[in-house]
This record gives sequence, C-alpha cells and structure tokens, in this order.
Amino acid sequence: DAGVIQSPRHEVTEMGQEVTLRCKPISGHDYLFWYRQTMMRGLELLIYFNNNVPIDDSGMPEDRFSAKMPNASFSTLKIQPSEPRDSAVYFCASSRDSVAFYEQYFGPGTRLTVT
Amino acid sequence: GNSVTQMEGPVTLSEEAFLTINCTYTATGYPSLFWYVQYPGEGLQLLLKATKADDKGSNKGFEATYRKETTSFHLEKGSVQVSDSAVYFCALSPSTGGGNKLTFGTGTQLKVEL
Repeated sequence: DAGVIQSPRHEVTEMGQEVTLRCKPISGHDYLFWYRQTMMRGLELLIYFNNNVPIDDSGMPEDRFSAKMPNASFSTLKIQPSEPRDSAVYFCASSRDSVAFYEQYFGPGTRLTVT
Repeated sequence: GNSVTQMEGPVTLSEEAFLTINCTYTATGYPSLFWYVQYPGEGLQLLLKATKADDKGSNKGFEATYRKETTSFHLEKGSVQVSDSAVYFCALSPSTGGGNKLTFGTGTQLKVEL
C-alpha cells in the first residue's frame, strides 16, 4: 500500500511568494495532520482534520498560513506571503481512526527554503 | 503542561553494541507513550508504544517500558545494526481531557558504525 504522499519534496522560493504544499493521506484514514519541523522548535503540530473538517488549528502560526482538505484524498497547506522564517520541513501525517489517533503515519516531508 | 525530555545526541555506537536512549516526561494523568523513528530523508514512523504503567512496547528488537514511578520510557536494543542509524523521537499523548496533540521530544540522532 502507498504511504502518505507529499509534493513537492523540495521547494525554494523568494520572500513574498505564495507556496502551496500538497498531501495525499493513506486511503481509509480519517485523520490528517500537518506538522512543521525546525531545529529551533522541533516538531510542531499546525492543524489537523477529521473527515475533511478542520478540528484544531491552534498551531497555525499566523494568518499567512491556511490549510484545506477538499476531499478525503487531498489536502493543501498554503503560505501567503512566505517569509524566511517559514523555512522548515513540513510533514503531513494521517491516522486511521479515533482509536489509533496517535498512531500516525508520516509522509517524507517537503523541505521549504524561503530566501 | 506536557513535556518530553530526551538525551541529546548524536549517539555513536559500533555495530552490535547495546543501545539506550533516555526519555523522561512530565504530564498529568496517565498518558500513552510512543517512540517514533525517522530514517534519513523520510518521515517519522511509529516504532513502538505503551499505553499504561509497566507496559512494555517492543518492535524490531527495540524495547521500552512505561515506568510511571520514574516518569520514564527509555528505548533499548541489545545489538544495534548500521541500518538502525536514524533519529529517534519520544512522544506522549495526553490523558483524557488533555487535548489531542502528541508532544514530541527533540529527537536523538543515532549513528551506528561498522
């Protein structure tokens, strides 16, 4: 079975540009998570969805960040406008259901560099 | 609030050496505890878990025991291989009513050499 798929794997952009990160969760998983990983702050949960509905977005750093999940097999994380401090690895993860909520399967990540 | 503290890395071992990566936690109630592993260039994957005190999680030769009296969940392996080189993250989930976020430690890099 395919795991969590993320694209692009690497993104380099200039400050002020819009960035869109994409994720396809494991088929049949009810929960989707977006994380950010940096050396300074470690792994941070940004937002998670249950059955395509955003449940907790308290980790989204500011209004420049937005996430959508239009259907069960696709989600986007958008940063507009991007800033150098947004440089990080962004992971998407999914989990099967509420019982296995914390057994999360991570994608390979998108390494974002904002210059 | 909840927190997880891991030993700093990198930890460098020779193949077949014994591995211990320390993890201690602070949490209210009775959290579940996890070890995740991140191989180079990949996302995290669940390695093992324990959901209550004195439980032992195990997988791929790795073990960790949930010690409530010492608030610890140390990861051990009797004989490491080069293929175990990765970053290991200890994590906890809150107990009932504590929210829905996994709290991760900062990660410990393990390097295994021939």
